[in-house]
Amino acid sequence: GNSVTQMEGPVTLSEEAFLTINCTYTATGYPSLFWYVQYPGEGLQLLLKATKADDKGSNKGFEATYRKETTSFHLEKGSVQVSDSAVYFCALLTSGTYKYIFGTGTRLKVLA
Amino acid sequence: EAGVAQSPRYKIIEKRQSVAFWCNPISGHATLYWYQQILGQGPKLLIQFQNNGVVDDSQLPKDRFSAERLKGVDSTLKIQPAKLEDSAVYLCASSFAGSDTIYFGEGSWLTVV
Repeated sequence: GNSVTQMEGPVTLSEEAFLTINCTYTATGYPSLFWYVQYPGEGLQLLLKATKADDKGSNKGFEATYRKETTSFHLEKGSVQVSDSAVYFCALLTSGTYKYIFGTGTRLKVLA
Repeated sequence: EAGVAQSPRYKIIEKRQSVAFWCNPISGHATLYWYQQILGQGPKLLIQFQNNGVVDDSQLPKDRFSAERLKGVDSTLKIQPAKLEDSAVYLCASSFAGSDTIYFGEGSWLTVV
């Protein structure tokens, strides 16, 4: 079946550190891949997406590349800020049936 | 542009009581979703509407949960009777038909005691 696996948190970093949050997926067909961010007390917001293999999504300094050969979509940022503290969800959208499947989320805490 | 509106934001009820959540999607969005997010987990789809028709309700516990989307705009999710394990955030989301980007509301936080 279709599924998304994220690295467990929490991830605690100092400001300006490099961030990687791992995400791998299992899917039939050719899914689209997404990262959503959830700030405390708020709903999920789309951070970035990639719709086909080798595409790179980017937004607000975050990047992720759709790697079909490793079925991965790891989230990276070169220099995190305290304001990046949130929960990050990796998700896939199945092709054909248009179903969203979310990972369990990874909490990021950035210390000043 | 107004986002997805949900109410109430917070609700505390006793088990076996009933509760209803309301959602107003972004104007023009034909597709509406209700997700359940239990603490520490990712959102799980409960039901998906396309206009006022149900596309997918395979994970909706139909013995206690119901949802409707009259006139293809607003939607209501009801739980009756509530159980302790229903404590979660109920997220409404919407999108244009066939779009791969969905927009979430801030959620309705339910605590069942």
